[in-house]
Amino acid sequence: AQSVTQPDIHITVSEGASLELRCNYSYGATPYLFWYVQSPGQGLQLLLKYFSGDTLVQGIKGFEAEFKRSQSSFNLRKPSVHWSDAAEYFCAVGGTGGGNKLTFGTGTQLKVEL
Amino acid sequence: EAGVAQSPRYKIIEKRQSVAFWCNPISGHATLYWYQQILGQGPKLLIQFQNNGVVDDSQLPKDRFSAERLKGVDSTLKIQPAKLEDSAVYLCASSQGPSSEQYFGPGTRLTVT
Repeated sequence: AQSVTQPDIHITVSEGASLELRCNYSYGATPYLFWYVQSPGQGLQLLLKYFSGDTLVQGIKGFEAEFKRSQSSFNLRKPSVHWSDAAEYFCAVGGTGGGNKLTFGTGTQLKVEL
Repeated sequence: EAGVAQSPRYKIIEKRQSVAFWCNPISGHATLYWYQQILGQGPKLLIQFQNNGVVDDSQLPKDRFSAERLKGVDSTLKIQPAKLEDSAVYLCASSQGPSSEQYFGPGTRLTVT
């Protein structure tokens, strides 16, 4: 069975500081990995995705993530956080082996202090 | 390009009542998904359609939930009768195919009292 663990429920960072959100996954084959962001009252917006190839993936809004197969991790990073980045972030895993069924983590709520 | 549309955005009902949600996917997207997102949790897939056929409904509580996608475009999700634990945001997503990126609608927030 596929699963995702996001160990940090809440994270607070100062504006301008760097950010890393952790994600660990369990999947029986080569995974597809995703990071989504959800602002209050909004749907999910895709930040970035990993299907294959380069393990360092660039996304929108200055985010990047690194796929580490040996650690079953796909951590999200941003070098300098902006106040508008405050939102909830979800990591998800899927793959053709599961018919592209996405399994989401429980999310990390990011608060940005000015 | 218009995104995934959902209505209503908010709904409050009493337990044992019925409710229906509507989703209009992005034009040309063959695959449509319904997710349930309970407060404090990540979205959970309820049902996946490929055109107008069901691909996966393994997590759909079929005694009370039903969904259809007539003509392979719009879809409706129905709950009858609703329970308190059905309070959640119901998200619709669509993709060009089962292995393509999913685009999410704004969701319908359901409160069951």
